[in-house]
Amino acid sequence: AQSVTQLGSHVSVSEGALVLLRCNYSSSVPPYLFWYVQYPNQGLQLLLKYTTGATLVKGINGFEAEFKKSETSFHLTKPSAHMSDAAEYFCAVSEANTPLVFGKGTRLSVIA
Amino acid sequence: DTAVSQTPKYLVTQMGNDKSIKCEQNLGHDTMYWYKQDSKKFLKIMFSYNNKELIINETVPNRFSPKSPDKAHLNLHINSLELGDSAVYFCASSLLSGEAQLFFGEGSRLTVL
Repeated sequence: AQSVTQLGSHVSVSEGALVLLRCNYSSSVPPYLFWYVQYPNQGLQLLLKYTTGATLVKGINGFEAEFKKSETSFHLTKPSAHMSDAAEYFCAVSEANTPLVFGKGTRLSVIA
Repeated sequence: DTAVSQTPKYLVTQMGNDKSIKCEQNLGHDTMYWYKQDSKKFLKIMFSYNNKELIINETVPNRFSPKSPDKAHLNLHINSLELGDSAVYFCASSLLSGEAQLFFGEGSRLTVL
């Protein structure tokens, strides 16, 4: 069965600094990979997804993630953090015809 | 128009009561889900319905009973509420069964006293 590990339950960066949120997955077949963001008291919103094709995926709000099969990773990055990026971020994996399995989330804090 | 809407957004109740949470999606999707998010933000699937039929039922106490009157609605009824049921419950939908991209509602925060 597929699983997701997000390294670091809390990441703190300065405004303007690089954001790096780590995600490793386990899957027996080529996975579909997702990053979702949850702002306080809101539902989850899709940031980006990888299904097939180009391994570098661009999402909304300047975020991108790279699928690295050899490392079983799908880390999320953004070159320059903004205060509005402060939120909870979830990595998720799905195999064909199975529901999404989420990681435990990483809370991103952005310091002015 | 909100794509996936849940009501109520907040629910505070006593142990032993019965309560319901309603969900509606206007995306024309075939599949709907209930996820539970605990106090540590961990999200776990509870149920999935495809076109009114139950297709996933994870290990959830039978006090929880989903009902789908049509493919645009999936309600969650909880009997004999316990303290451990306190959580945020999210409804979600996807275009097809097995389609991994989910669209989430804003959540319903249930507090059991």
